[in-house]
Parts: sequence; structure tokens; C-alpha cells
Amino acid sequence: GAVVSQHPSRVICKSGTSVKIECRSLDFQATTMFWYRQFPKQSLMLMATSNEGSKATYEQGVEKDKFLINHASLTLSTLTVTSAHPEDSSFYICSANREPEKLFFGSGTQLSVL
Amino acid sequence: RKEVEQDPGPFNVPEGATVAFNCTYSNSASQSFFWYRQDCRKEPKLLMSVYSSGNEDGRFTAQLNRASQYISLLIRDSKLSDSATYLCVVGNAGNMLTFGGGTRLMVKP
Repeated sequence: GAVVSQHPSRVICKSGTSVKIECRSLDFQATTMFWYRQFPKQSLMLMATSNEGSKATYEQGVEKDKFLINHASLTLSTLTVTSAHPEDSSFYICSANREPEKLFFGSGTQLSVL
Repeated sequence: RKEVEQDPGPFNVPEGATVAFNCTYSNSASQSFFWYRQDCRKEPKLLMSVYSSGNEDGRFTAQLNRASQYISLLIRDSKLSDSATYLCVVGNAGNMLTFGGGTRLMVKP
């Protein structure tokens, strides 16, 4: 079964609205989760590292006020795309590490901003 | 220069063919290496880890050359179901993964 649950799987929204994506680790605690973005025919690009109980670490070029990350518990991280615009349309995916295995990925969220 | 580079393909091969993918990485301090498989609009799934000694899992063989900073994946006896994008992934400290651009494989009957 799924190790990391991500919801919703697909979102279509109007320009200017905010969208929240949830990433949950199932039956294990994840102090660190990662958020990626993937544009069509491109690879996954790390956006930010979500740290439980502290501020997220953003990669260069990723606006922290645009992509709000909250990791309030050991099993849940959320990514909120604020005031979404068409250029934010992308595939967003999270991952979490469960020792001693490797990283597990959520099933991804396809965001389409009209 | 990208941190992890792959030939984007696509590689179009007939069923039963052997196909090889290559990958190079720029960070000599990289600690872990993987091949992931990604189907369209799906999450990447771990295919196999890559070790310096080389490792094999059924029809798949992965090799790592740390001196050349080069990783390879060999698929023997290709199946239609092998059609996907194969991602070369390099891990650094703190489980930070860097993904290559992916190599698209299309296996045809």
C-alpha cells in the first residue's frame, strides 16, 4: 500500500485563487519532507525541504511567499500555492524518508490554473 | 552544467532488445545513486539502487563508476511494459536527491 499519501491528485482552479496540497506519511513519522515540481517533459525539481516544527528551506529561485509550506506535525506537510497563475500549472509531488528504506513519493498533484 | 545529466532520448527499441542508459553527475561528494522509473503523470518509483560493485535485479543491471562519475542502467530482453521514463538520481547529505532529466524508453512490438 501507499507509504506517502498526497491529496488532491488533481486541481483545476481560477487564476488568483490559492490551492493547498497535503502530503501525509502513513504509519511512520517524517521530520523532513520534500516538495518537487515537474513541468511537462522536464525532470523533477526540488522546490523546498519541509522541516517539522521549523521553517522550510527553499531552493534558489522558489518564492517562499508564493509557495507556503507548513509542517506542523510529524506526519503532515502542506504546500499552499498562493494566488496561483497559469504559469504555476505543474505536477507537484512530495516525498518523505522512512528509514532504513529510501525516499517514498506521494502520488502527485496535477495543478491546472485557468 | 547540470548536476545530473542524461540523454533524454527517446530510445525506440523492439521487444526483446537490450538497451543501455547512461548518466553523469557533477558532485564528486555524492553519496548514493539510484535509478527510478516514472510513468506519465505518476510518481517516480525506485527501480534499483546503484552500488560501486555493480548490481543486478532480473533483467536490469546497474553500474557505478565513481572515478568517472558515471552511472549506467542496462535492460535486457525489453518488454512492452518497460516503456517509461528512467530517472538517474543522485543523493547527497540529508537525503537531498537531484534528478536527471530522464531518458524516455519506448518498447515496440
